[in-house]
Amino acid sequence: DTAVSQTPKYLVTQMGNDKSIKCEQNLGHDTMYWYKQDSKKFLKIMFSYNNKELIINETVPNRFSPKSPDKAHLNLHINSLELGDSAVYFCASSQASGGAYEQYFGPGTRLTVT
Amino acid sequence: GDSVTQMEGPVTLSEEAFLTINCTYTATGYPSLFWYVQYPGEGLQLLLKATKADDKGSNKGFEATYRKETTSFHLEKGSVQVSDSAVYFCALSEARRRKAGTALIFGKGTTLSVSS
Repeated sequence: DTAVSQTPKYLVTQMGNDKSIKCEQNLGHDTMYWYKQDSKKFLKIMFSYNNKELIINETVPNRFSPKSPDKAHLNLHINSLELGDSAVYFCASSQASGGAYEQYFGPGTRLTVT
Repeated sequence: GDSVTQMEGPVTLSEEAFLTINCTYTATGYPSLFWYVQYPGEGLQLLLKATKADDKGSNKGFEATYRKETTSFHLEKGSVQVSDSAVYFCALSEARRRKAGTALIFGKGTTLSVSS
């Protein structure tokens, strides 16, 4: 019944490694997002996709690459991990039509780079 | 660009106290406004929303009114419970980019701690 799910919930890895975070939504939405929450709980958009098309690509190092195989999935791949990448990453989804564009968030993936 | 400013926390209250968390915004046009809540170790949950001036969003005893004249969307609850302890985020959806994929712009969050 989970609306937006992410795996893994926790990810501990060493600097220089490559890792992926997966996101799936079963709400039938056509737009998905990745946000980063830093240690002070500040949330910032990284990417958004609508119908598998990249819409927003904020100033994020190109070591981060989103991939959307279909409307229900948006994965985040990170190359050459750095200490500063440690954060909580949230996936979200919304429906483009309807006005308010409220977004529904997954439980988050806490990434720790050592 | 658009921005959201929230009162600094933490806010510490006793059970049954009245809660106000201030939120003001800067935006071009008429953004949609939201309050999200994040319980410890969890993701963000949509608490309430408002899409136009004078709209009042409400949910679980929480209320917020979209005030265009003061560019504010303050969150209120008449009687808080221990279970309301969480981080509360005010957010807006940019009006001039109201289309698919528009990002939410968040305030920095306000931590609420309620004791019995």
